[in-house]
Amino acid sequence: EIVMTQSPDTLSVSPGERATLSCRASQSVNTNLVWYQQRPGQAPRLLIYDASTRATGIPARFSGSGSGTEFTLTISSLQSEDFAIYYCQQHTDWPRTFGQGTKVEFK
Amino acid sequence: EVQLVESGGGLVKPGGSLRLSCAASGFTFSYFNMNWVRQAPGKGMEWVASLTSSGSFIYYSDSVKGRFTISRDNARNSLYLQMNSLRVEDTAVYYCAKDRRRIVLPDAFDLWGQGTLVTVSS
Repeated sequence: EIVMTQSPDTLSVSPGERATLSCRASQSVNTNLVWYQQRPGQAPRLLIYDASTRATGIPARFSGSGSGTEFTLTISSLQSEDFAIYYCQQHTDWPRTFGQGTKVEFK
Repeated sequence: EVQLVESGGGLVKPGGSLRLSCAASGFTFSYFNMNWVRQAPGKGMEWVASLTSSGSFIYYSDSVKGRFTISRDNARNSLYLQMNSLRVEDTAVYYCAKDRRRIVLPDAFDLWGQGTLVTVSS
């Protein structure tokens, strides 16, 4: 099983600041890496697929990078609606596995 | 409107059974692989099961294999999860999710339902 590890567990950021979230895979997942956003009480929403492609309707302040085992999600200027939990997930192999999540909270 | 709507959750005793349903609308359901993902209270996401568009290939997490059965009815635009021998640790919100592309290989989940809560408790 491919283990996905996200860091940090919690990120305290002020509105307008930049947030950088990391995701590491225990073995290469190529670019079969996805980022989801989950706001409180809501279902997850697809943000980034193929490691770096924004999903439909996702603002340009969200960007993804990386390949192999190291990935990054960057939010260039945090807006109030961006305070949420972010999960990475690989789909290169079964079982599909998620990271434990990074909570982006208000500083 | 493109959406997935889950139903069938509730309170069940350990060892009991429950059947979840997911009704799809706004897209050609039969084209896409479908999935169940769960989230225990206050915890992260866990993939549960996947089913290809035709139903030919099925995959389960080790934690539910032998107890849960995923199925679909393309004529009714519906996905199901039959859960037997339920355990306390199966307590979670269960989400139905659609694969992004019309391919056989696993893909990102680009559409999620609102979830249905399953509580296993005596």
